Amino acid sequence: GDSVTQMEGPVTLSEEAFLTINCTYTATGYPSLFWYVQYPGEGLQLLLKATKADDKGSNKGFEATYRKETTSFHLEKGSVQVSDSAVYFCALRNSGAGSYQLTFGKGTKLSVIP
Amino acid sequence: EAGVTQFPSHSVIEKGQTVTLRCDPISGHDNLYWYRRVMGKEIKFLLHFVKESKQDESGMPNNRFLAERTGGTYSTLKVQPAELEDSGVYFCASSQERVWETEAFFGQGTRLTVV
Repeated sequence: GDSVTQMEGPVTLSEEAFLTINCTYTATGYPSLFWYVQYPGEGLQLLLKATKADDKGSNKGFEATYRKETTSFHLEKGSVQVSDSAVYFCALRNSGAGSYQLTFGKGTKLSVIP
Repeated sequence: EAGVTQFPSHSVIEKGQTVTLRCDPISGHDNLYWYRRVMGKEIKFLLHFVKESKQDESGMPNNRFLAERTGGTYSTLKVQPAELEDSGVYFCASSQERVWETEAFFGQGTRLTVV
């Protein structure tokens, strides 16, 4: 079945540091890929998405590129802020008939210190 | 516009008791999903409603879990009787269109602790 593997945290960075959170997936067909973020005390929010190979999703300074050849969708940000502290989830949704469910990774907790 | 709302935010119950979780989706969203995150593990899909009909319930763990969505508005997820392994965070999500690229909006989750 489909699966998502992301680097396990926690990850602690200083403000303005470069962030990479690795995500790889296993899926049949041509899935859409997502990054969701959960800030403390809040629900999951869609951060960015990509629906086909070589697409780049971007939002709030975060970027991720859909790499079909390496089955990866790594999340990057050039300069993190304290307000980026949250749990980040990589997810996929497969294009199989009738399949609307998301398959998530375990989540990566990011803490950014001043 | 109100987002997806879940009640309660926290629940602590004893093993063997019954708990009912509620989810109010965004108004007008026909699609409603339940997910669960057991501590340290992935968020796992439980089921998907389209209006009041169960479209996919392949993720429901066993028959102690019962989900309903009468009238196609809010949904409830009942666990009866609760077991220790049911502890986790239960998320509800809703989306407007029945296409697979559509963003699903999530609620804050209900943290269930079974003791």
